[in-house]
Amino acid sequence: AQTVTQSQPEMSVQEAETVTLSCTYDTSESNYYLFWYKQPPSRQMILVIRQEAYKQQNATENRFSVNFQKAAKSFSLKISDSQLGDTAMYFCAFMRDSNYQLIWGAGTKLIIKP
Amino acid sequence: GAVVSQHPSRVICKSGTSVKIECRSLDFQATTMFWYRQFPKQSLMLMATSNEGSKATYEQGVEKDKFLINHASLTLSTLTVTSAHPEDSSFYICSARGRLAGGPETQYFGPGTRLLVL
Repeated sequence: AQTVTQSQPEMSVQEAETVTLSCTYDTSESNYYLFWYKQPPSRQMILVIRQEAYKQQNATENRFSVNFQKAAKSFSLKISDSQLGDTAMYFCAFMRDSNYQLIWGAGTKLIIKP
Repeated sequence: GAVVSQHPSRVICKSGTSVKIECRSLDFQATTMFWYRQFPKQSLMLMATSNEGSKATYEQGVEKDKFLINHASLTLSTLTVTSAHPEDSSFYICSARGRLAGGPETQYFGPGTRLLVL
């Protein structure tokens, strides 16, 4: 069975700093997708970034980028020039391409301090 | 803009009544929708997978007679909490599987429904 592990329950950084959130996963599948979702206090789940396992190039979306290490089964999220609006819970998730269900990590609470 | 809507956003009901929550995909057809429950400070717990035109698939431990799911069209799935009790109070979130802007399959989430059963 697939599992997703986020080892950092909470992180706190100053505004404008760079922060990296860790995520590891376990699977025997060869084709899958990985996601980072953000859940701010409003509780709306927002897609931050996604990565297809067959792509070697790391995904980037403006200030957000990932370090995808397939052999190590690691999928970390880097937030550059952090902003107050980045304060939220961040969830790492794994999706099989067979049933499209998401397997979730426990989440990391990120606090950006002014 | 939002790609999945969910209604109502908040509902308070008396114990023993039934509550229906609607989940709609906007601007795309979703053959598969998912229903989750989220407890405070926890991750999402998948309750069931809803496929258009067929019966929902429930996760282990979720009572299908209590949480009725209907996926009557490619843009609408409903979750009905029947004979609600205080322990059903929670935050319910739906998602729709879609492929937008030529990207990979992704789940897009509704804003959630906060249910309080008195």
